[in-house]
Amino acid sequence: RKEVEQDPGPFNVPEGATVAFNCTYSNSASQSFFWYRQDCRKEPKLLMSVYSSGNEDGRFTAQLNRASQYISLLIRDSKLSDSATYLCVVSNNAGNNRKLIWGLGTSLAVNP
Amino acid sequence: DTGVSQDPRHKITKRGQNVTFRCDPISEHNRLYWYRQTLGQGPEFLTYFQNEAQLEKSRLLSDRFSAERPKGSFSTLEIQRTEQGDSAMYLCASSQGGSIYGYTFGSGTRLTVV
Repeated sequence: RKEVEQDPGPFNVPEGATVAFNCTYSNSASQSFFWYRQDCRKEPKLLMSVYSSGNEDGRFTAQLNRASQYISLLIRDSKLSDSATYLCVVSNNAGNNRKLIWGLGTSLAVNP
Repeated sequence: DTGVSQDPRHKITKRGQNVTFRCDPISEHNRLYWYRQTLGQGPEFLTYFQNEAQLEKSRLLSDRFSAERPKGSFSTLEIQRTEQGDSAMYLCASSQGGSIYGYTFGSGTRLTVV
């Protein structure tokens, strides 16, 4: 089993739709959680950290369920510019190295 | 520009040649990471530095790969005797400590070995 698993998609949604991605992780000792966004042939960029209480940033809402070991990302009122790959990232403390473990990403295409 | 910068952006090389990439992290960040990413995969950890000390190397980093960060600022990643399987995007990231706020990535160096 991969350490971080995501549905690769692609998710094809119309503009204005609400779309949700889930991600599961295997290491119950994982401490920090992030969603990154990656555009085609570009570097990953931090979209948002995921906090235990859940957090919202504009149209984006992230939630963490430690008991079930999954995190989610909800995008409301999706825009064409939201089309990208969304990478779920989990941080495990291995000694002094806060190593990031990456999912393979979920591809989103928002259509006009 | 205060982001992470990488040079070159693209590199095409013949199999068997040596290549070297450079990364300049955000100046106040003491940690620097190298990742490799191939199409359809998430970034794979290669190695990381805290200041000038290389603290961890992935098993992915064969003897042909070496990384340095001599003064705790910029870093270089060298690949000797390149193979076609080395073709990938090489990403550098930096953070302040083990940042809980994630890492900042550079734009990457895309290597093509022909």
